[in-house]
Order: sequence, then structure tokens, then C-alpha cells
Amino acid sequence: DVKVTQSSRYLVKRTGEKVFLECVQDMDHENMFWYRQDPGLGLRLIYFSYDVKMKEKGDIPEGYSVSREKKERFSLILESASTNQTSMYLCASSRWGIAYEQYFGPGTRLTVT
Amino acid sequence: KNEVEQSPQNLTAQEGEFITINCSYSVGISALHWLQQHPGGGIVSLFMLSSGKKKHGRLIATINIQEKHSSLHITASHPRDSAVYICAVPTSNAGGTSYGKLTFGQGTILTVHP
Repeated sequence: DVKVTQSSRYLVKRTGEKVFLECVQDMDHENMFWYRQDPGLGLRLIYFSYDVKMKEKGDIPEGYSVSREKKERFSLILESASTNQTSMYLCASSRWGIAYEQYFGPGTRLTVT
Repeated sequence: KNEVEQSPQNLTAQEGEFITINCSYSVGISALHWLQQHPGGGIVSLFMLSSGKKKHGRLIATINIQEKHSSLHITASHPRDSAVYICAVPTSNAGGTSYGKLTFGQGTILTVHP
């Protein structure tokens, strides 16, 4: 079974803090994704990586950066957290290609106060 | 960019009812995904289909490529089917290759009462 794990289920941070969200997959997938999910807005892609050290901006990259130093690990970084970044963050992975399903992690509920 | 529309946005049913959720998209695709998210839970893939129909237990997914439309049906619905159901299609870009990126519908919130 494919397993995608995220470092925290719940996280509370203060405005201005640097926040790291980690995601690890165990199926040697090339693609990894970071999404945020907000009520009424659905899933929105923040960043995408198709190989180690390769990244591509998604629909809402502002205020975020990512790091992929190893194939199995994809990190999302909030350089200076703001209250409008309070959200559910979901990581996913898939094989490279146009017709492979994505496997999702359990999500991290981030609250910025 | 592929636009994905789901309907209805909210659906309430009584246990045992037949449920239909619809998904329409604007650009031709190679495959369409149906996903399920239980409250507080992660997202799991239910189906990936490129033509015709697929069945898994009480869930049936159909797709009409010409009409750019897919439906997810639940027969004999049960309260444990209460979840958000999400339709997704490969993201199209100028290069024509999405590398596996998906564009998601807004989701349909299904509540099944006993």
C-alpha cells in the first residue's frame, strides 16, 4: 500500500513565525504536490515537484516555498506565517504521467494566530 | 485551462436512496478521477476512468467523453457514505502535458440520514 505521511495533524503557530510542513512517501513516486483546502474553494495547488530539486509553482504559491532534496520527501515552508494561511494542508504523490492517481496524506490543520 | 464543475454542491438523502453526483469539464481528457473525503479524514481515490463505466461495490462511475461529463452513482446509500465527493481531471497547459497535475471540482457534500 502506498503511504503518504505528514509531520503533524494539527499545528498552531504565531503570525510571523517560520513554519515547516513535511511530507514523506514510500512508493518511489516522481511527483509530489502540496495543496491547501478551504471551505468553498476546494483543493488548490500551491507547489508541485516532478523530480528531486525540481519544482513548479501552482495556482497559489505566494507566501510559500518548497524544498525537495530527496525523492521521498517534500517540504512546504511558510517563511513568515500570516493569519490568511490558516488552512488544511494536504500533500500528495503520484507517478509521473497524465493518467496516474494521486495518493494523499492525512492533512495538517494549520492555525496561525 | 480545464474547468471542472460539479453538481449539486450539497446533497442530503435518506438511507437507501439512489444518489447521483455530476461532473462536467471543459477540455478533452485522458482520464477522470473520483475522490472521497470523510469528515476530518484524508482523501482517497475511488475511481480513475477513461471510458464507459466502472463499479466498486455500491459505487458506479460513468463517463461520456464526447459530452465531457461524468457521473458518480451510489446505490442503496448508507450513513457511512456521508462524505465530500470530488471530481478531478488532468490539468492542461500550453505544452499539453500536465505531468500528473490535476484540476479539482469544488466537491459535493453528501449527507445520508438513517
